Parts: sequence; C-alpha cells; structure tokens
Amino acid sequence: DQQVKQNSPSLSVQEGRISILNCDYTNSMFDYFLWYKKYPAEGPTFLISISSIKDKNEDGRFTVFLNKSAKHLSLHIVPSQPGDSAVYFCAANGFASGAGSYQLTFGKGTKLSVIP
Amino acid sequence: NAGVMQNPRHLVRRRGQEARLRCSPMKGHSHVYWYRQLPEEGLKFMVYLQKENIIDESGMPKERFSAEFPKEGPSILRIQQVVRGDSAAYFCASSPGGPYQETQYFGPGTRLLVL
Repeated sequence: DQQVKQNSPSLSVQEGRISILNCDYTNSMFDYFLWYKKYPAEGPTFLISISSIKDKNEDGRFTVFLNKSAKHLSLHIVPSQPGDSAVYFCAANGFASGAGSYQLTFGKGTKLSVIP
Repeated sequence: NAGVMQNPRHLVRRRGQEARLRCSPMKGHSHVYWYRQLPEEGLKFMVYLQKENIIDESGMPKERFSAEFPKEGPSILRIQQVVRGDSAAYFCASSPGGPYQETQYFGPGTRLLVL
C-alpha cells in the first residue's frame, strides 16, 4: 500500500519553462514534506521542505505547494535548466503504518528531463 | 564540511556470503538511518539508530539483517547469507536531531550485487 504516490514516472520540459512535479499522500499523520533530487549513481540531495502548517515554501527557483485538504503537494521549478534533469523524490515525514518512530516515506520518483 | 560517507560504493558478493556496509554520518549528526532502493522503486526505510542504540528497526527484515552504531566508528549494516534479492542500492542518511520534522542528508550509497 503506497502511502506516497508520484503518478508521473517521467516529465519532459523545455529549458526556461516551468517544471511541475506532483505528489499525493494518503496518511493524514504526515506533517512534514521534503523533495529530494537524485542523479544516477549518487545519493538523494535535499532540495526543499515544507511543514504542514504552511501552504507554500520558496527557495530560489524552487517552490513547494501543499494542499492539506487534497493531500497533495507539488514542486515548481522555474525557470527549468538542463542541470535540473534528474529523478525527483517526494518524501513525507510522520508515523507510517507499522512504524516505530517518525519515518520518511518516499514516492517512486519522477524523472525530469529538461530539453535545451 | 564532509557529508555523509559510505563505503564501499560497490560490493559484489556470492550467494551465502556476508555483506558489510559502512556509514559515517555528517559531523555533529548523531542520528543515522538506513534505506534500501530496489530498481525503479523509491527508497524504503529500514532502520533508525542513535549512538549505541537501535531506535526503530520496523523496516528491516527479521532474518539475516542487522545494524549497529557503536560509540566509536561508523554505523554498520550487516547482511548475512546474502541472496539475489538483496541486490539493491543501500543508502545511509543522518540528521542532527531525531527524525521529527528534521531534514535527513544522504550518502552516495552502496550498490550491492549478489551473484
């Protein structure tokens, strides 16, 4: 049972345009959300986070939006650059089903390709 | 300021052998987490440790897998009698405080291949 879902396995965007990556979650106990970026053969790199008490957090070209009622968050990258091409993982922090502590639960990732 | 370090980066084992994966957290971080990533999947939580204590091992298989974070030295994830299904990327992460609303910083991973 996937508690964090990224329904788009891949996304292609033209350089300079906006990239929008989406994430849905089912567990209402999640209260902190993070986006990570991952290049092949490397570990995930933290990008941006948002607490459930906020609906928006911005850091440079990256903005995360949280809609608690819809259990949905999105990552906006504008303008997109070729170096942004990577796999983006959404992660939710909270007590997942069967957990013994606060854990990060990850989606399966969305592969973003930014075309020059 | 060195990030999370993991070694080895690649590990090849034959079925039945033991695999030992090491993780040194970021300086000042005393909370360590291990995750496993299978191909085309997200990262799956395995275990959360503080120095000398296992806090949460709810994601770790009950048999053949163990983890430790001794007072001195790196955290170790140990897989005994490896099977082909253990082939995966294993990532370690660390945080300065506990996992509640804390950002976890990841190492480069160890890619385990079981022949």
